Amino acid sequence: QSVLTQPPSVSGAPGQRVTISCTGSSSNIGAGYDVHWYQQLPGTAPKLLIYGNSNRPSGVPDRFSGSKSGTSASLAISGLQAEDEADYYCQSYDSSLSGVFGGGTKLTVL
Amino acid sequence: QLQLQESGPGLVKPSETLSLTCTVSGGSISSSSYYWGWIRQPPGKGLEWIGSIYYSGSTYYNPSLKSRVTISVDTSKNQFSLKLSSVTAADTAVYYCARHRSVGVPHPIDYWGQGTLVTVSS
Repeated sequence: QSVLTQPPSVSGAPGQRVTISCTGSSSNIGAGYDVHWYQQLPGTAPKLLIYGNSNRPSGVPDRFSGSKSGTSASLAISGLQAEDEADYYCQSYDSSLSGVFGGGTKLTVL
Repeated sequence: QLQLQESGPGLVKPSETLSLTCTVSGGSISSSSYYWGWIRQPPGKGLEWIGSIYYSGSTYYNPSLKSRVTISVDTSKNQFSLKLSSVTAADTAVYYCARHRSVGVPHPIDYWGQGTLVTVSS
């Protein structure tokens, strides 16, 4: 049971927009710590998708965007493509647990 | 292009010590801009941050694993290592070594090794 809660699964049709939430508390996201997002394609290592709540590393399409408000953060994917089908993880810092990941969300492209 | 490669035994007996090494190529482990760390992922489950180290030797560990974990760095070999003692079946996982950018809190992980599966079994 992670201190950062993500929905186990989300789905959407190609071209649609989906969002994945990451809900924390006052000891992590709500304390002002950054939220990062990672994409893990099947059988591969995770890849940094969003860092510092809303920043995209070089090479990440602008279809991916991140936001943070209060004790929660969200990852939005617009113009959904088949290759976006993957597991997505949020990461933040907890004052009592140090670096923590969310439980992960499996995105299915219908 | 930076590359990280994990190496070590794929099978460890219960109660023994798991030892892995990460070799960094294409960049210096002594850069002041990065930390180096370990993350694991049990089969079919999510990610767990184990700990990280700065080239100077400063370490940061997951409190839930701190009593069993040691991360060290060898700048002369451009490597860093993980030791996890008193392992049980619950420590069976894919272990990733990774580079953390030293910006923000937590430090984002911008490069990952391919991962190595370590199974704890007699």
